[in-house]
Amino acid sequence: GENVGLHLPTLSVQEGDNSIINCAYSNSASDYFIWYKQESGKGPQFIIDIRSNMDKRQGQRVTVLLNKTVKHLSLQIAATQPGDSAVYFCAENPSGTYKYIFGTGTRLKVLA
Amino acid sequence: EAQVTQNPRYLITVTGKKLTVTCSQNMNHEYMSWYRQDPGLGLRQIYYSMNVEVTDKGDVPEGYKVSRKEKRNFPLILESPSPNQTSLYFCASSSKGSGTEAFFGQGTRLTVV
Repeated sequence: GENVGLHLPTLSVQEGDNSIINCAYSNSASDYFIWYKQESGKGPQFIIDIRSNMDKRQGQRVTVLLNKTVKHLSLQIAATQPGDSAVYFCAENPSGTYKYIFGTGTRLKVLA
Repeated sequence: EAQVTQNPRYLITVTGKKLTVTCSQNMNHEYMSWYRQDPGLGLRQIYYSMNVEVTDKGDVPEGYKVSRKEKRNFPLILESPSPNQTSLYFCASSSKGSGTEAFFGQGTRLTVV
């Protein structure tokens, strides 16, 4: 959304560098996690997911790492491009529930 | 094309005037939900539906109603909107409610004056 990012932490990265976006999740019963990308004026878009029986999952240019011990997720974007500029947020799904808990997000700015 | 469609995209209304935001998905998903997004608060779930005629409250249901009479549609109803309901609203659907990704609509920017 247009003003969703007003209070968000911002990560500025040089084009071509790797980006790492972090997320602390809240519920130790969560067993499914998703990263979303939200561009200005658009709805959240799925990037990658991971289940609690894994600690790493790779997609195209993206990797998600899960550390259940400290309840931490990270999203790594390789060779960051201008089109990667957006707000990124994580979501957790406590096991057996229909609830998704969303983080507040991080704004990624890619510098040319 | 698989999508979640919300209407309208933008709406300005006055306090107390009933309104409905429509949501439709073409993926035959069982699970649908509504969220509001506010600066600094992230996405908060308003209501969700596990299937036709089955709905339940999310984290912030006060002031909202929903219905699920058919699988593809999940309208959000504000019987008497108030200024604190000014927000960006998103509808989402997924094949199952748990353990699967959600597909989001484009959002509805609502302003209540």
